[in-house]
Parts: sequence; C-alpha cells; structure tokens
Amino acid sequence: SQKIEQNSEALNIQEGKTATLTCNYTNYSPAYLQWYRQDPGRGPVFLLLIRENEKEKRKERLKVTFDTTLKQSLFHITASQPADSATYLCALVAGGNKLTFGTGTQLKVEL
Amino acid sequence: EPEVTQTPSHQVTQMGQEVILRCVPISNHLYFYWYRQILGQKVEFLVSFYNNEISEKSEIFDDQFSVERPDGSNFTLKIRSTKLEDSAMYFCASSENRDQETQYFGPGTRLLVL
Repeated sequence: SQKIEQNSEALNIQEGKTATLTCNYTNYSPAYLQWYRQDPGRGPVFLLLIRENEKEKRKERLKVTFDTTLKQSLFHITASQPADSATYLCALVAGGNKLTFGTGTQLKVEL
Repeated sequence: EPEVTQTPSHQVTQMGQEVILRCVPISNHLYFYWYRQILGQKVEFLVSFYNNEISEKSEIFDDQFSVERPDGSNFTLKIRSTKLEDSAMYFCASSENRDQETQYFGPGTRLLVL
C-alpha cells in the first residue's frame, strides 16, 4: 500500500542548531514533493518544492533534498529559532495535482 | 500579498443539517481544492475543481458533498446531511494553473457536528 511517513515523535532542538526532518514514502513515484509549515489551528503554508530530477533546493535557511532511490526527502532548517517551532508537513504529487500529505513532524526550538 | 480567505472560521451544526463552507480563492487562480483535517490526523484531499467542473475527487467525497463556483469569486463546499464524523478543519486551496504546482491554503473552517 502507499505510505508517506514522517517522524511522528516531536523533535526538540536548541536555538541555533540545525533541525533535520525526514519524509519517507513507499509505492509512489512522485513528480515532485513539497514541504509545508502548519501552525496550530491554521492552514498549511508552502515552503519549498523539489522535483524528481532535482537533488537539492535551498531558500534562505531552508534546504530540501530528494533521493528517489531511497524514496526519501530531508528538510533542514539551519540556525533554528523559536519562531520556527511548528508542524512541518511533506506532501507528494504523483499524477493529477492533488497533494497527499504525511502526518507531519512537530518541531520545537528551545532557547 | 493576495491570500485565500474562508468563512466562517467556526461552524457548529446539528447532525443531519446542511452546511455550506465558503472560500474566496486568489483572484487569478484557476484550480481550486478542498482538503480536510480531522483533529490530530493528517490533511486529506477531498476534491479539485477546474473550469467549472470536478477534475478529481477522493473516496471521502461521496454524494453528501458537492462543490460549486456560484460566481467569479466564491468557491463553496456543501455537506448535505452532516454526520458526527464530518467534524474537522476544512481547508480551501487554490493554484494559478495546472503547471503551477504550489497550492495556497486558506486559514480553514472548523466544523463541529453535534
């Protein structure tokens, strides 16, 4: 069956460190993969998109990698800040344009 | 910066009642979507809409659900006879065109069915 797995346990890190979040998928051949941020009670906010033929994408303190052999994407936030605390969602598009989301990983950045 | 808006922010209804959730997508966008998120669970796709018709729908989107673009700006989701399990956050999203992959989400409507 098709699955998108993100670490369900919350990730707690210290301010200034790099946070690394993982998204693994099975039985998908995604055309591209996206990362969204979601704050409690709010809608997802788009962060980054990476296509199947791209290995890495960066935007300011954010970096995404995509390994279609391992079927994995890693999402990095460098120099993390308390304001980065949120739930981070990975989402695949594999045919059509509907997004299929993972369950998300909650990140907490502590002072 | 343009954004997707949704009304109401909260809706409480009795089981069996009809509800209409409203969305105003970003003005030059052509693709529209509804997603829902049951408390503590993942965001799930319901339906996509383009050129005044449904382009894709999920198994969740059964005969109790319908969507409409009644005018040039609004996009609505109707649930004909609500069930307890319809309680969730409902998010509207829009994208500029099929090749513009980024979907922009609204703030959501929290629906509680009693």
